[in-house]
Amino acid sequence: ETGVTQSPTHLIKTRGQQVTLRCSSQSGHNTVSWYQQALGQGPQFIFQYYREEENGRGNFPPRFSGLQFPNYSSELNVNALELDDSALYLCASSSGVATNEQFFGPGTRLTVL
Amino acid sequence: GDSVTQMEGPVTLSEEAFLTINCTYTATGYPSLFWYVQYPGEGLQLLLKATKADDKGSNKGFEATYRKETTSFHLEKGSVQVSDSAVYFCALGHASGGSYIPTFGRGTSLIVHP
Repeated sequence: ETGVTQSPTHLIKTRGQQVTLRCSSQSGHNTVSWYQQALGQGPQFIFQYYREEENGRGNFPPRFSGLQFPNYSSELNVNALELDDSALYLCASSSGVATNEQFFGPGTRLTVL
Repeated sequence: GDSVTQMEGPVTLSEEAFLTINCTYTATGYPSLFWYVQYPGEGLQLLLKATKADDKGSNKGFEATYRKETTSFHLEKGSVQVSDSAVYFCALGHASGGSYIPTFGRGTSLIVHP
């Protein structure tokens, strides 16, 4: 059974640029959630995707957007990057939207200069 | 809104010492409670969970009991090892509007010395 994978591992961008992060869910999981973890903080929920539709969103601006594909993999897109977007971005998959057990990937470390 | 408060770290212990990491929460309804562990350079791993009052979650020698009367879910381990050094996150969650959205605490760093 393959776990949750994310790419790239690290990324450096400059302010104003756009970035796309990718996540492959664990086998059999149809739900993907994205989190932002700033240094020294707990993860903050960005949004969740279920069957290719957004199914819940945290307190993040519209320049944070996402997609889910038919194979349940997902992308997180961030436009007009700001310095405060520097963080570890975590993806978690689960077998349904209401389950309370999520499996996390190793994350993508984004640095905005 | 929901919130989770954890004791500030780092917590520094010698090997085989007793561990307690305090966690209290504020939430509506009856959330599930979780402890996650994050090793350096890795994502979060679910350590244990409890889904209703008085439930005890346990895994790898760690335990936590869901205390509704004190809104707490303190993590304990009788004898820590160097390999337990990591950041521990307390979290709560419940299904809302058809989706499950967890709320995490800020994390407590544990450092165990030989």
